[in-house]
Amino acid sequence: DAKTTQPTSMDCAEGRAANLPCNHSTISGNEYVYWYRQIHSQGPQYIIHGLKNNETNEMASLIITEDRKSSTLILPHATLRDTAVYYCIVPGGSYIPTFGRGTSLIVHP
Amino acid sequence: GAGVSQSPSNKVTEKGKDVELRCDPISGHTALYWYRQSLGQGLEFLIYFQGNSAPDKSGLPSDRFSAERTGGSVSTLTIQRTQQEDSAVYLCASSPSPGQILTGELFFGEGSRLTVL
Repeated sequence: DAKTTQPTSMDCAEGRAANLPCNHSTISGNEYVYWYRQIHSQGPQYIIHGLKNNETNEMASLIITEDRKSSTLILPHATLRDTAVYYCIVPGGSYIPTFGRGTSLIVHP
Repeated sequence: GAGVSQSPSNKVTEKGKDVELRCDPISGHTALYWYRQSLGQGLEFLIYFQGNSAPDKSGLPSDRFSAERTGGSVSTLTIQRTQQEDSAVYLCASSPSPGQILTGELFFGEGSRLTVL
């Protein structure tokens, strides 16, 4: 996996956009960026993935920089239920995704 | 439901006992993963199954750990002579990826919480 770097923790006010950054400066070729989240006491949940273009689904948006060395996961209107640990993963040529420590997002009222 | 199912959800055992943890992947998913997560830590890869290929056991921490996948579906993770440091949540995931490169997302179960006294 390409190495990824994420802030340890972030907080966000309910109803505001949560922007979670991820650096993956060693990304190369056709490596995708995946995002997962893990709500307390649950298994991780897939959110979104992308290659070059920005992606959006019902859960979030993914913005990937033109040089692909970083990306931002955007939760447009964060709710208390979005409090979780968010993982940015670049599996690359590996079939075994490596989950680091991720970013602990706390959404407060 | 149609998700990944794990059992038991909670298991408390005494040091030295053997335990078996079961995973029912999503029907049709060829890839199956086991991870474990100790309290406050990230996910630690244990073992990976892909179709009929030999499993990748590179993440198993010791020879007390083993896993099998019967008929390309259900998987059982066995821990022999459990130790207190084995206490963790054991997570199973499956993926529809047909090949060796991750091309799709992983679907995780809710995990089996193991406590070794």
